[in-house]
Amino acid sequence: AQSVTQLGSHVSVSEGALVLLRCNYSSSVPPYLFWYVQYPNQGLQLLLKYTTGATLVKGINGFEAEFKKSETSFHLTKPSAHMSDAAEYFCAVSGQGFQKLVFGTGTRLLVSP
Amino acid sequence: DGGITQSPKYLFRKEGQNVTLSCEQNLNHDAMYWYRQDPGQGLRLIYYSQIVNDFQKGDIAEGYSVSREKKESFPLTVTSAQKNPTAFYLCASGRQGSNTGELFFGEGSRLTVL
Repeated sequence: AQSVTQLGSHVSVSEGALVLLRCNYSSSVPPYLFWYVQYPNQGLQLLLKYTTGATLVKGINGFEAEFKKSETSFHLTKPSAHMSDAAEYFCAVSGQGFQKLVFGTGTRLLVSP
Repeated sequence: DGGITQSPKYLFRKEGQNVTLSCEQNLNHDAMYWYRQDPGQGLRLIYYSQIVNDFQKGDIAEGYSVSREKKESFPLTVTSAQKNPTAFYLCASGRQGSNTGELFFGEGSRLTVL
């Protein structure tokens, strides 16, 4: 069974500041890990994913995440926040041989000028 | 363009009525999913289908029904048995058995019970 915990339902940053959204996972099998972004009243869009190989993965819009097995973490970062980054972000996990994704409860990112 | 189309985008329902949400995809994906989204609860899986004419219950299937008669279509019916149906509903699709696990989402349908 898999589960995901996202720490912080809301994160506020200033424009230009570092963005850090936290995600810890639990999985009984080697995990596949994902970050999705959702803008208001829209569906989810894939930001980045980790399946195998390099543990530092780069995604769209300047985001990246690092898979740390020893810490069971997959935190999302961006060096410099932009106003357009304001959205809700979901971490998700599945097992290899993928059947279904299990999502975290989401973190709303607020960016102030 | 390839993608997933959900309709209607907004729907109002009186208590006791069944409503059906449409989901169509032209991505040639085998697997399709329905998620329910409530504030602060993330996405919860209602039903999923990995192949035509077959589907499985997710974590919160009570009060919902689905069908998968065509590869492209996976409609969700919210029945009167669903006690709290007001929510945002998201349909998604993906490649069955894919080693990437990526899902593609529609724009969602917001259901409000009056």
